[in-house]
Amino acid sequence: AQTVTQSQPEMSVQEAETVTLSCTYDTSESDYYLFWYKQPPSRQMILVIRQEAYKQQNATENRFSVNFQKAAKSFSLKISDSQLGDAAMYFCAYRSSQGGSEKLVFGKGTKLTVNP
Amino acid sequence: DSGVTQTPKHLITATGQRVTLRCSPRSGDLSVYWYQQSLDQGLQFLIQYYNGEERAKGNILERFSAQQFPDLHSELNLSSLELGDSALYFCASSVGERREPKNIQYFGAGTRLSVL
Repeated sequence: AQTVTQSQPEMSVQEAETVTLSCTYDTSESDYYLFWYKQPPSRQMILVIRQEAYKQQNATENRFSVNFQKAAKSFSLKISDSQLGDAAMYFCAYRSSQGGSEKLVFGKGTKLTVNP
Repeated sequence: DSGVTQTPKHLITATGQRVTLRCSPRSGDLSVYWYQQSLDQGLQFLIQYYNGEERAKGNILERFSAQQFPDLHSELNLSSLELGDSALYFCASSVGERREPKNIQYFGAGTRLSVL
């Protein structure tokens, strides 16, 4: 079974600075998808960014980018120019592309605090 | 707004009772997923339906059941409730195509269940 590990329970960053959240995963599959979701205090789960494993190019969405290292099974999230609204729980998630369910397997999350 | 609607937002009930959580997926989405978020277990996949049929089961207790109706809305039924069932229950929806990179899960705002 696939597992996702987020080794940083909490992180903090100064407003306008850059922060990187770590995520590693374990799988025997070669084709899969990876996601970062954000959960602000409102509890809503919001998709931040996604990466297809067959793509070598790292995904980017405005201030958010990933560093996808397939061989190392690492998928970190970089937030540039951090804003107060970025404060939230961030969850890394894995989805298989093969038969069965498209369920998401989540890490335990990293709580990000943004200091003014 | 993700387009996924969950009702009710909050539910307070007593041990031994039965409750029903409701989810309306985004327009056009055929798959519905249920997840449970608790402090000790994190975010866990419970069950998935695709176009009215059960597609996959995760860590769902026998006291829990779900169904997806012809209009594609879904209900999660929780019975013989215990204190440990207190959690945030999320519904997510997606188009449901396995190998489609755009098969992104969009989450509802969740139902907060408190069992007293």
